[in-house]
Amino acid sequence: GAVVSQHPSRVICKSGTSVKIECRSLDFQATTMFWYRQFPKQSLMLMATSNEGSKATYEQGVEKDKFLINHASLTLSTLTVTSAHPEDSSFYICSARASASGFSYNEQFFGPGTRLTVL
Amino acid sequence: AQSVTQLDSHVSVSEGTPVLLRCNYSSSYSPSLFWYVQHPNKGLQLLLKYTSAATLVKGINGFEAEFKKSETSFHLTKPSAHMSDAAEYFCVVSDRRSGGSYIPTFGRGTSLIVHP
Repeated sequence: GAVVSQHPSRVICKSGTSVKIECRSLDFQATTMFWYRQFPKQSLMLMATSNEGSKATYEQGVEKDKFLINHASLTLSTLTVTSAHPEDSSFYICSARASASGFSYNEQFFGPGTRLTVL
Repeated sequence: AQSVTQLDSHVSVSEGTPVLLRCNYSSSYSPSLFWYVQHPNKGLQLLLKYTSAATLVKGINGFEAEFKKSETSFHLTKPSAHMSDAAEYFCVVSDRRSGGSYIPTFGRGTSLIVHP
């Protein structure tokens, strides 16, 4: 099956520092990756759509200068939370959509998530 | 515009009894619909998906869902609940936006509680 990994799984940082989260598709190529944020006991909120080789498309209300997304290859997308503050503490989940035949064109494969805590 | 409504924030059942998790959607086109399960502090696992083939979709762990266009519903069912089914369940609709890309929208989630 299609596997998506995220690294790190958990990170604690001081306020004002930047944190990078990696999302990798391990056994397939992903032209599109999605980044979500999930608050406790709530649903996933789509932050941005990342397409390989182009700029990310951010959802309304998401600060693009705050949450930097890079999708440099077909297997890797990164989310950098710049100058993190306690209100950025959350569970961040990525997903990848496969570009090859044999996959449903609309199916996403989710990473296990990254728990960010900003002190 | 697309949207997803999960009608129940919590569903509580006894082990061995049927499960029904309700989901209604709105979509401008012919959507793809998914159910995902999330266990505490874990990522999401796909249970099943509807992508314009058979309207009754069978998924993993004994779950199934029926796409009813006339009712704009995609309810998730299971004949007999197991303790390990206790988790958060998300209904997702994926539809084409004006730019041509397919963007998913999540329901708020339904917490399934299974009593022994």
